[in-house]
Amino acid sequence: GAGVSQTPSNKVTEKGKYVELRCDPISGHTALYWYRQSLGQGPEFLIYFQGTGAADDSGLPNDRFFAVRPEGSVSTLKIQRTERGDSAVYLCASSSGAGGLTDTQYFGPGTRLTVL
Amino acid sequence: QKEVEQDPGPLSVPEGAIVSLNCTYSNSAFQYFMWYRQYSRKGPELLMYTYSSGNKEDGRFTAQVDKSSKYISLFIRDSQPSDSATYLCAMLGGNNRLAFGKGNQVVVIP
Repeated sequence: GAGVSQTPSNKVTEKGKYVELRCDPISGHTALYWYRQSLGQGPEFLIYFQGTGAADDSGLPNDRFFAVRPEGSVSTLKIQRTERGDSAVYLCASSSGAGGLTDTQYFGPGTRLTVL
Repeated sequence: QKEVEQDPGPLSVPEGAIVSLNCTYSNSAFQYFMWYRQYSRKGPELLMYTYSSGNKEDGRFTAQVDKSSKYISLFIRDSQPSDSATYLCAMLGGNNRLAFGKGNQVVVIP
């Protein structure tokens, strides 16, 4: 079946603008995760959804970042008043939600965000 | 101190050589250990996982965990040009969040 898809693949915006990044998880996966990967770094956790609710949003850097998953499938990461430091690749992952070691997280290709 | 430390230096090896990568971690609560492979402009993909100290083999890949030293390793035998990628160690923490190292870019030269 299809893997995790993310749109857009690239997004260029100006400082201060609002952006939305979309993630389509693997069908049937109840758990969804957002990570951010800056150049030369490993992915850093942002937020984890179990179903429609955010089970852990402790990785969101500040209140300009917000994510939703209203129907328990597609998720949108929203960034307000973008700053140049927000430039990174935003990765989405999904898993079955069973938890533990075998609950493999499958990653999408990411959205490369550039804030000018 | 970051939870997971991985010396991010690039590694260039000739085809057929053994590649050796390692990470250290500080959080004793980590119980599950993974290696992800990431090709350029792609998302990470799971290569291997383990939860106990010792070795785990999968084809040309061996993952090693030493919980007493908080040290994990990945070995790639008979490296191939198709192994050229960035390799990220990751540990599974609470709420299923993965804590990643910085990654090592590996280039296998034909």
